[in-house]
Amino acid sequence: QQQVKQSPQSLIVQKGGIPIINCAYENTAFDYFPWYQQFPGKGPALLIAIRPDVSEKKEGRFTISFNKSAKQFSLHIMDSQPGDSATYFCAASIQGAQKLVFGQGTRLTINP
Amino acid sequence: DGGITQSPKYLFRKEGQNVTLSCEQNLNHDAMYWYRQDPGQGLRLIYYSQIVNDFQKGDIAEGYSVSREKKESFPLTVTSAQKNPTAFYLCASSIQAVNTEAFFGQGTRLTVV
Repeated sequence: QQQVKQSPQSLIVQKGGIPIINCAYENTAFDYFPWYQQFPGKGPALLIAIRPDVSEKKEGRFTISFNKSAKQFSLHIMDSQPGDSATYFCAASIQGAQKLVFGQGTRLTINP
Repeated sequence: DGGITQSPKYLFRKEGQNVTLSCEQNLNHDAMYWYRQDPGQGLRLIYYSQIVNDFQKGDIAEGYSVSREKKESFPLTVTSAQKNPTAFYLCASSIQAVNTEAFFGQGTRLTVV
């Protein structure tokens, strides 16, 4: 119930394409869903986050789509660039718990 | 510059030895966390602390110990009881509130030789 399942494990896209990374959860008590971006040898950094009262959130070229009934959320990267090549983690937390549960990660490669 | 500093970046230890990973933050955050990262498994929570002199076990606490004597510091000791300690260890901090951003350090890569 505490798991967040992320797919795919790796993804290769051509520059300008729209990579999509998906996450699914079981615990309906989760109420905060952030995405983190991690470059090799670095710690993750917050990219964008959403709460279940909205179905979509955009920040620049990054969009989160949220489907509460299906208990799924996804990250879309518009006009992807080689500099977006990184590992992306979805996560979820329960209000009051202050603990993030992370997905398994997706290694994204954007080819020039 | 405000941030989280983990040291060392690379650490080698022999089997049977305890080793302590350092984590210092100057963000004035109350909450601090230790995660372990293994390929294909995401980040798994080892320990977390919401306030000085208090900490709780995460999902994979066995073989690890922590202390929180100062707000700025949250060292992690990997003991000889940890069966598979080779991994990338990440420290993070956040303000004492729910659903807020966690700030991560650069990580320490521990290798048991």
